[in-house]
Amino acid sequence: GENVEQHPSTLSVQEGDSAVIKCTYSDSASNYFPWYKQELGKGPQLIIDIRSNVGEKKDQRIAVTLNKTAKHFSLHITETQPEDSAVYFCAATYSGYSTLTFGKGTMLLVSP
Amino acid sequence: KAGVTQTPRYLIKTRGQQVTLSCSPISGHRSVSWYQQTPGQGLQFLFEYFSETQRNKGNFPGRFSGRQFSNSRSEMNVSTLELGDSALYLCASTYLGGSNTEAFFGQGTRLTVV
Repeated sequence: GENVEQHPSTLSVQEGDSAVIKCTYSDSASNYFPWYKQELGKGPQLIIDIRSNVGEKKDQRIAVTLNKTAKHFSLHITETQPEDSAVYFCAATYSGYSTLTFGKGTMLLVSP
Repeated sequence: KAGVTQTPRYLIKTRGQQVTLSCSPISGHRSVSWYQQTPGQGLQFLFEYFSETQRNKGNFPGRFSGRQFSNSRSEMNVSTLELGDSALYLCASTYLGGSNTEAFFGQGTRLTVV
């Protein structure tokens, strides 16, 4: 089955800096890679996703890149703000299949 | 459009009891998946229901079961509760039309077994 590894487990940055979280996956059949943000006491919120037919996707301060050959995908957050502080999870699956395999999560702390 | 609704939000149960959790998906979504979230194991897949049928099951003991109703609402049941079942149980709703695979989560049910 699929295995997703996520690094780092914790990440501390200063407000305004960039943050990068990296994930690798094992199943070459996976073609859909969502990222979730989970704030304390809440369920995971889908913030951006990417499919294997594109290499990069941006949404304002958030971007995701995918390297299919290396089976790597990364989340990039620019101009970080304190409200970006949360736990971020990457996941992998294939289109039309709803079971997600998650990474272990990254706790991002943005200091003012 | 209403999001995914999970009830109850919090539960405290005693070892050996059973518990039923409920999930109402987003209107029009026919797939409901359940996940267990713990600090040590992260988010682990329990099972997925689509059109009232269990299509996929994770690596959990038979004490964990679920079902889906004709209106797509889903319940999961845990029998003979153990201390290790204490976790946040999350439900995810997916439309699954064409290549659409976006999953939306509820707030979760925090289960504490004492």
